[in-house]
Amino acid sequence: QKEVEQDPGPLSVPEGAIVSLNCTYSNSAFQYFMWYRQYSRKGPELLMYTYSSGNKEDGRFTAQVDKSSKYISLFIRDSQPSDSATYLCAMSAGSNYQLIWGAGTKLIIKP
Amino acid sequence: EAGVAQSPRYKIIEKRQSVAFWCNPISGHATLYWYQQILGQGPKLLIQFQNNGVVDDSQLPKDRFSAERLKGVDSTLKIQPAKLEDSAVYLCASSPPGTAGGPTGELFFGEGSRLTVL
Repeated sequence: QKEVEQDPGPLSVPEGAIVSLNCTYSNSAFQYFMWYRQYSRKGPELLMYTYSSGNKEDGRFTAQVDKSSKYISLFIRDSQPSDSATYLCAMSAGSNYQLIWGAGTKLIIKP
Repeated sequence: EAGVAQSPRYKIIEKRQSVAFWCNPISGHATLYWYQQILGQGPKLLIQFQNNGVVDDSQLPKDRFSAERLKGVDSTLKIQPAKLEDSAVYLCASSPPGTAGGPTGELFFGEGSRLTVL
C-alpha cells in the first residue's frame, strides 16, 4: 500500500462546476499538507499549504484536512478551463522531512 | 524574482550513453532537490542538498546517477550509462530556509528536463 493514494482520473467537469479532489494517506505523523498544480510540460507549482487539521481558503480554492480520517481535499469553486491541469497532493511529517507525493489527478474543465 | 532555471529542456539519447542536466535555483534558497517524474506518476526524490552537502540520496541509483552542487548554488545531475527506464522528466526544485534554517516544504520547481532514452 502506498503512503499516499490519489485517484489519477481524468476528472472531467463542465465550466463553473465545483470540483473536489482528494488524497488519503496512511502515516499519522504527517502534519504538513500541500497541493501543487502542474500544467502540461511544466513543473509543479504550490497552490495551497496547510498545517495540521482544518480548512484554508484562498480565492476559489479551499484546502481541507481531516487528520482523524487521514483524508485531505481540495475544492475549486467556479471552475475555469484554465484550471485544467494535474493536481498533486504532497505531505510531510515536518518541515525538514521528505515530501511524500500522490500520483496526481488530471482535471479537465470543459468550456 | 527569477525562478528555478533548468537546461536542457529536452534530450534524446541512445541507451548506454550519458547525459547531464543543469539547475540554477532561486537566489538565497539553500535547499536544492532533484526529482524524477515518470509519466502519470508523482515526483520521486533522487537527491536533496542543503547548501553543498547531501541531506538525502537514499533513492538515487548510485551505480549510474551522480549529482553535485558546487559552491552551494548550481547543481548538475548526470546519468551514465542511461537505461530505457530512465526516460522521464527530471525536475529541479529549491526551497527557502524555514525558521530553523532547514527547508520549509514549499518547493519552487523549474520547468524540467525531459529525457527520452531510445
